[in-house]
Amino acid sequence: QQQVKQSPQSLIVQKGGIPIINCAYENTAFDYFPWYQQFPGKGPALLIAIRPDVSEKKEGRFTISFNKSAKQFSLHIMDSQPGDSATYFCAASIAPRGSTLGRLYFGRGTQLTVWP
Amino acid sequence: EAQVTQNPRYLITVTGKKLTVTCSQNMNHEYMSWYRQDPGLGLRQIYYSMNVEVTDKGDVPEGYKVSRKEKRNFPLILESPSPNQTSLYFCASNPPRGGSSYNEQFFGPGTRLTVL
Repeated sequence: QQQVKQSPQSLIVQKGGIPIINCAYENTAFDYFPWYQQFPGKGPALLIAIRPDVSEKKEGRFTISFNKSAKQFSLHIMDSQPGDSATYFCAASIAPRGSTLGRLYFGRGTQLTVWP
Repeated sequence: EAQVTQNPRYLITVTGKKLTVTCSQNMNHEYMSWYRQDPGLGLRQIYYSMNVEVTDKGDVPEGYKVSRKEKRNFPLILESPSPNQTSLYFCASNPPRGGSSYNEQFFGPGTRLTVL
């Protein structure tokens, strides 16, 4: 069962556009929601992350919007550039009581293409 | 340089021939994991390890083995590879919970495996 559902599977935008990638989850115990960015031939790398006590987090051109009641979160990329073309993964984490780590559950990924 | 390394980066083998993919991290992380990435399916966790001699199954452990005899190394073993294990494999590690980056997973560069 997919713990985190991500859409769309692929997305094409013009340079300067604002692509939006959406994710949804069911498990209310999740306490950490990161986004990873992956370029071809590379491993994923952390892009931005949010905790459920805030509704929005912005880092540069990347913004996470979080809706706790709807159990949804999304990534917005402002003024998108061709260099943003990559695969984006949302994820969610839960840390069992007493654990020192949180296992990550990934969405299936969105392949973003930004045309010049 | 802090990093996760994997070897080999590319491997073509035949059904039934045992193989090992090595993974090593130099960040003194306790938590390590293995993922496979397949088109449309995202990143699926195979096995993870919370510390030396402590390993557990992820979502897709069938056909794989791991060991954690040292903190820095976490090899993935395919005793009898089959074509359905053709995939892109990533090793990852992350620091213990407590800091702002407690759940940032650092990924290796990936190993592309083809089983004929």
